[in-house]
Amino acid sequence: AQTVTQSQPEMSVQEAETVTLSCTYDTSESDYYLFWYKQPPSRQMILVIRQEAYKQQNATENRFSVNFQKAAKSFSLKISDSQLGDAAMYFCAYRSRNGGSQGNLIFGKGTKLSVKP
Amino acid sequence: NAGVTQTPKFQVLKTGQSMTLQCAQDMNHEYMSWYRQDPGMGLRLIHYSVGAGITDQGEVPNGYNVSRSTTEDFPLRLLSAAPSQTSVYFCASGRKGTGANGELFFGEGSRLTVL
Repeated sequence: AQTVTQSQPEMSVQEAETVTLSCTYDTSESDYYLFWYKQPPSRQMILVIRQEAYKQQNATENRFSVNFQKAAKSFSLKISDSQLGDAAMYFCAYRSRNGGSQGNLIFGKGTKLSVKP
Repeated sequence: NAGVTQTPKFQVLKTGQSMTLQCAQDMNHEYMSWYRQDPGMGLRLIHYSVGAGITDQGEVPNGYNVSRSTTEDFPLRLLSAAPSQTSVYFCASGRKGTGANGELFFGEGSRLTVL
């Protein structure tokens, strides 16, 4: 069974600085998706960024980028120029691309990010 | 742009009462699922469905029941509520398999308190 581990329960960053959130996962599959979801206090789950395992290029969405290391099974999220609105819970998640685990999304336990003004 | 709609958003129950959390999506997604979120535990899968008439258990199914009579709807039933079911519940839907970049779309969540 696949697992996702986020080893940092809480992180803090100064406004305008850069922060990296860590995520590791375990799987025997070769074809899958990895995601970072953001959950602000409103509790809405917001997709931040997506990575397809067959793509070697790291995904980027504006100030958000990932460092995807497939062999190491590592998927970290870098937030550049942090803003107060980035303060939220961040979840790393895995989803099989070929129907494994019936396509269920498997979550880490989350990292709570605080942004200091 | 309704997406995934969950109701109710808040509910307080007494131990032993039953209730149904409703979930509807208008994106013709084959896959639908229910998660619960508890502090320090992330989101854990309760039940899921890969199409109308097909449901299966996730990681924490005890005390919950589901059915999928249509593509659009996937209600979650609590048969006899217990304080341990106090949680925030999320419904999510998506394309099955390799479709649509794998993304799941989430409802706004339902906060349930069992006294």
